[in-house]
Amino acid sequence: DAGVTQSPTHLIKTRGQQVTLRCSPKSGHDTVSWYQQALGQGPQFIFQYYEEEERQRGNFPDRFSGHQFPNYSSELNVNALLLGDSALYLCASSLRGIEQYFGPGTRLTVT
Amino acid sequence: GEDVEQSLFLSVREGDSSVINCTYTDSSSTYLYWYKQEPGAGLQLLTYIFSNMDMKQDQRLTVLLNKKDKHLSLRIADTQTGDSAIYFCAERGTGFQKLVFGTGTRLLVSP
Repeated sequence: DAGVTQSPTHLIKTRGQQVTLRCSPKSGHDTVSWYQQALGQGPQFIFQYYEEEERQRGNFPDRFSGHQFPNYSSELNVNALLLGDSALYLCASSLRGIEQYFGPGTRLTVT
Repeated sequence: GEDVEQSLFLSVREGDSSVINCTYTDSSSTYLYWYKQEPGAGLQLLTYIFSNMDMKQDQRLTVLLNKKDKHLSLRIADTQTGDSAIYFCAERGTGFQKLVFGTGTRLLVSP
């Protein structure tokens, strides 16, 4: 079992650009959540996808959007990047929500 | 509202027991979790407890929950240098699967 996988591992972007991060859930899982972890902080919930729809959203602006595909994989898109978007972006998957397993994350640096 | 607080730092000697504490505010929390994060890595699910339980033991890990005081603790028996990491407490409310994390406790285990 490959567990939750994320790509890319690291990414460097310039302010104003757009970025797409990808996540493949653990085998058998149908729900994907995205979190942002700033340096020295705990993860903050961005949104959650189930059955290809956004089911719940945290306090993040509309610049953050996502998608879930029929195979349960997911993408996180961030438009008009700001310096403050620099963080570790974590994807978590679950089945029925009790056990959430995290991927290794994508480190995004905005310059 | 939802808020989870943890002490920032704990230092122990190898072989001692470690106790990491957490308080939360959401009285509707259904599950409470402990995750471990090593440098540059994602979050590893260590254990979790359902809110109608007061204790759960899993090998070297013991979780205690005082629902009245909204206090959660993680005890690691026979702490090893490999246990050095940041430990996050998280709570999940009713309904959807959003996790609310604390800021993490850095555990340092010295030989």
